[in-house]
Parts: sequence; C-alpha cells; structure tokens
Amino acid sequence: EVQLVESGGGLVQPGGSLRLSCAASGFTVSSNYMSWVRQAPGKGLEWVSVIYSGGNTYYADSVKGRFTISRDNSKNTLYLQMNSLRAEDTAVYYCARSSVAYNWFDPWGQGTLVTVSS
Amino acid sequence: DIQMTQSPSSLSASVGDSVTITCRASQSISNYLNWYQQKPGKAPKLLIYAASSLQSGVPSRFSGSGSGTDFTLTISSLQPEDFATYYCQQSYKTPLTFGQGTKLEIK
Repeated sequence: EVQLVESGGGLVQPGGSLRLSCAASGFTVSSNYMSWVRQAPGKGLEWVSVIYSGGNTYYADSVKGRFTISRDNSKNTLYLQMNSLRAEDTAVYYCARSSVAYNWFDPWGQGTLVTVSS
Repeated sequence: DIQMTQSPSSLSASVGDSVTITCRASQSISNYLNWYQQKPGKAPKLLIYAASSLQSGVPSRFSGSGSGTDFTLTISSLQPEDFATYYCQQSYKTPLTFGQGTKLEIK
C-alpha cells in the first residue's frame, strides 16, 4: 500500500526552526516528484515546495530562502527544513507524491501541524 | 504566477442534484488542471487529473472538462458523502497554485 506519514510538527517561537519528515512506503521517494503543501487554519491550500526525481528543487516565493526540501534515499523519507519561522507559517503541512512531469498530488499524508507563536 | 479563480466560493445543493464548479486560470495551462476533494480534518483527495481523467477509485458521477483557461468539475446525482470543499490546482508550471476552494453544503 502506498502511504505517507508526516512527523515533526509542533509549537515553535518566531524566528525558530523545525524539520518535518515524511516517511514513504509502497514506493520509492527518489524515483518520484515529492511536494509539500500547507494549509493555514481555516484557509485554502498553498503549495510550498517540490523536489524532482533528478534532484531539482523549487519553492514558493513565501518560503524561498527559509525552507529547504530534501530527501534521504536510504530511509525513503522526505524532509522540509524550516528556518526563520514566522507566525504566517502556522499551518498543517502535508507531504504528497507529485506525478512525474504532470505534478498532480496523490497520495497525501495525514498532515502535521506547525504552530509559530511566542 | 498563474492565478486560479474558482466559482462559486460556496454552493448549497440537495442529495440527487447535479452541480458544476468552475475554475479559471489567468493564462493558458493546456490541460494541466487537477481537482481535489477535502473533508474537514482530512487530507485532500485527488479526484480528476489532466482536466478530465478520473482517478482510480473515484465514482463516475465526478467528471471534469476544459482546456486552456476554463475548466469545470461536475458532480452528478450528489451523494451525502460529496458535501466537502473542492479545489482546483494548476500543474503547468511552478509555483504550483490552487484555487481558493468551493464549499459544497447540504441545502
């Protein structure tokens, strides 16, 4: 069964850092495109970042320079390193497999909540 | 960036009705348009990809159409489990962008 399980969310102060993990099963992370998508409380979906199978990475302007997407092939796990966190980064963060070349998202993980507050 | 605009933002309908949600892109995106369903407290679920292809396991009452800048999601014969929020997403180029969502409520 294809499955994604996120972890690493929590409460962090403004300016702090957090690393999210997304453990995949049933498929190989490095052979796929993988994305992070977030959803602020009561709001819509916002794409955050994608890593392509070849290693290229892309980011939303709102996180560029602060967030880094990466993967560990030996652990079949996707990561999102989040630095210089702001209150507006508060959201549920989902990882999702993106279809190669077409970038639709399926499946999605269950999400992990990140709260940035003092 | 490509802006995606959905209409309506909310919609009330009854079980058995047919509804249509529209998504418009700010520039041509060919058929790089996908639809998702999200229920409260749950992750989104892919319904339609490449504008009109039905994802495996999704009931055939869901259908998508369109190309270029204008797209539609149609749900025929609404079932109780269909009341949710629906999002379109363009995958033509990064940054990948979503519509603001359409909340489908029971009348």
